[in-house]
Amino acid sequence: DIQMTQSPSSLSASVGDRVTITCRASQSISSYLNWYQQRPGTAPKLLIYAASSLQSGVPSTFSGSGSGTDFTLTISSLQPEDFATYYCQQSSSAPWTFGQGTKVEIK
Amino acid sequence: EVQLVESGGGLVKPGGSLRLSCAASGFTFRNAWMSWVRRAPGRGLEWVGRIKTRTDGGTTDYAAPVQGRFTISRDDSKNTLYLQMNSLKTEDTAVYYCAAVGGSLQFAYWGQGTLVTVSS
Repeated sequence: DIQMTQSPSSLSASVGDRVTITCRASQSISSYLNWYQQRPGTAPKLLIYAASSLQSGVPSTFSGSGSGTDFTLTISSLQPEDFATYYCQQSSSAPWTFGQGTKVEIK
Repeated sequence: EVQLVESGGGLVKPGGSLRLSCAASGFTFRNAWMSWVRRAPGRGLEWVGRIKTRTDGGTTDYAAPVQGRFTISRDDSKNTLYLQMNSLKTEDTAVYYCAAVGGSLQFAYWGQGTLVTVSS
């Protein structure tokens, strides 16, 4: 199975900060990497698919990059509604797997 | 507008069974791979399994913790996805989400989730 490791597990940041979350796969997954946001009590929401494609309706402050085993989600200017937990997920091969999540908290 | 509405969650004793349903609308259900994802209390998201379209063979794949106990099926005539859960364990307690899979194998759309609690 492909293991997905996110870092950090949590971070504190202020509104307006630039935030970077990394995700590493245990083997190459090409660009089969997606990013999701989950706020408490709500369903996950797709942000980025195929490593760098922005899902329709998602603010352009979100961006993704990477291929192979190393990937990055960047929030260029953190907004109040961005405080949530973020997950990477690989769909290169079954079983599809998620990273453990990164909780972004208010500083 | 795409809608996915799960139902069937509830309280069940260890060793019991439960069937979840996910009613889909707003897209061509028969053309979409579908998946179930869960989130246990205090834990992260966990993929449960997926079912391909009939055109792609209608095959299923499962995560190791549920293999042999859970079964995913679909009724394209009813635009409905199912998750049959047997031999339930306390560690299966979670909110279960259905998700529609997009062309880049991303979970493009999600339901609101249904809570399954396995407890004696």
